[in-house]
Amino acid sequence: GENVEQHPSTLSVQEGDSAVIKCTYSDSASNYFPWYKQELGKRPQLIIDIRSNVGEKKDQRIAVTLNKTAKHFSLHITETQPEDSAVYFCAASLTNAGKSTFGDGTTLTVKP
Amino acid sequence: DVKVTQSSRYLVKRTGEKVFLECVQDMDHENMFWYRQDPGLGLRLIYFSYDVKMKEKGDIPEGYSVSREKKERFSLILESASTNQTSMYLCASSASGQGLREQYFGPGTRLTVT
Repeated sequence: GENVEQHPSTLSVQEGDSAVIKCTYSDSASNYFPWYKQELGKRPQLIIDIRSNVGEKKDQRIAVTLNKTAKHFSLHITETQPEDSAVYFCAASLTNAGKSTFGDGTTLTVKP
Repeated sequence: DVKVTQSSRYLVKRTGEKVFLECVQDMDHENMFWYRQDPGLGLRLIYFSYDVKMKEKGDIPEGYSVSREKKERFSLILESASTNQTSMYLCASSASGQGLREQYFGPGTRLTVT
């Protein structure tokens, strides 16, 4: 089955700096890669996703890049703010399979 | 707005008890999931269902069973609760069909087994 590895497990940055979280996946057939943000005490929510026919996607301060050959994808957050502090999960799936395999999560702390 | 609700936010049970966790979604989603969330271990899939009365094992199904009698409701059952099942349990749902794979999560149930 699919295996997703996520790094780093914790990340601390100064407000205004950029943050990068990286994930690798094992199943070359995976074609959908969502990122979820979970604030303390709240449920995970989708913040951005990318499909395998696209190499990069951007939404304001967040962007995701995908390298299908290397089987890795990354989340980039620019101009970080304290409210970006949360746990971020990457995931990989087949769009016709329903389920996703999640990474172990990255705890991002943005220091004011 | 998609809404996924779970029957309890906090639950305390004794070892050996039978425990039912219920999840309801209001968006007519075909897929429903049960995850367990433990620090440093991410979201681990216990079971999922892609249709009424259909279920598939996830990565850690041992000690759990599920039931889906109606499309909107997915129940997780701990037949005989054990202390190593103390955890946060998250339910999620998603639509099927191409291009619709976002999972919507419930608020979670923090289960403590003593």
